[in-house]
Amino acid sequence: DAGITQSPRHKVTETGTPVTLRCHQTENHRYMYWYRQDPGHGLRLIHYSYGVKDTDKGEVSDGYSVSRSKTEDFLLTLESATSSQTSVYFCAISESTGSNTGELFFGEGSRLTVL
Amino acid sequence: GESVGLHLPTLSVQEGDNSIINCAYSNSASDYFIWYKQESGKGPQFIIDIRSNMDKRQGQRVTVLLNKTVKHLSLQIAATQPGDSAVYFCAENMMGKSTFGDGTTLTVKP
Repeated sequence: DAGITQSPRHKVTETGTPVTLRCHQTENHRYMYWYRQDPGHGLRLIHYSYGVKDTDKGEVSDGYSVSRSKTEDFLLTLESATSSQTSVYFCAISESTGSNTGELFFGEGSRLTVL
Repeated sequence: GESVGLHLPTLSVQEGDNSIINCAYSNSASDYFIWYKQESGKGPQFIIDIRSNMDKRQGQRVTVLLNKTVKHLSLQIAATQPGDSAVYFCAENMMGKSTFGDGTTLTVKP
């Protein structure tokens, strides 16, 4: 299994509080991603990173920010959590280049509940 | 005209039968297409991929078919086993970004 660790795995918080989810990899992969998974919506890309300090928005980035200060860590922050951000969050990594498939390796997920 | 399989949110098959899971994709410029399997409480895992210049690729008990004319992808699982019960997602990848389709929940009846 790819060395990807997400923390925390479960969190319950209240509306308006800040939340940070951490993704740590030991594979030295260049690309890292944050997805959220909701019933009826599948997996949707929030933000991704293509290198240290290089990040970009995905399709559902509003209300989220990310940071990548080291190759191995990718942080997802909800500055002020809302109930609509209750979801399961998955971190993924890849060595995507122009000549390979961009296969993603996923972490085990972080379940966030915003009350 | 050619018949294209519909995407179904759920699929139930008998153990030992073949399963066909369908997916429609949206971007004709996508480079690669990948199938993932997600078991309960876990992250998705890679099953098989296919490059956009191919129309068929086979793995162990799985085959992926790509029809670019109608932007359709299918996953065939031979001799389906109880361990194949999971949610299956297709994903299209372009320039390193993957977009996932709606999943199909496969249930294998013993």
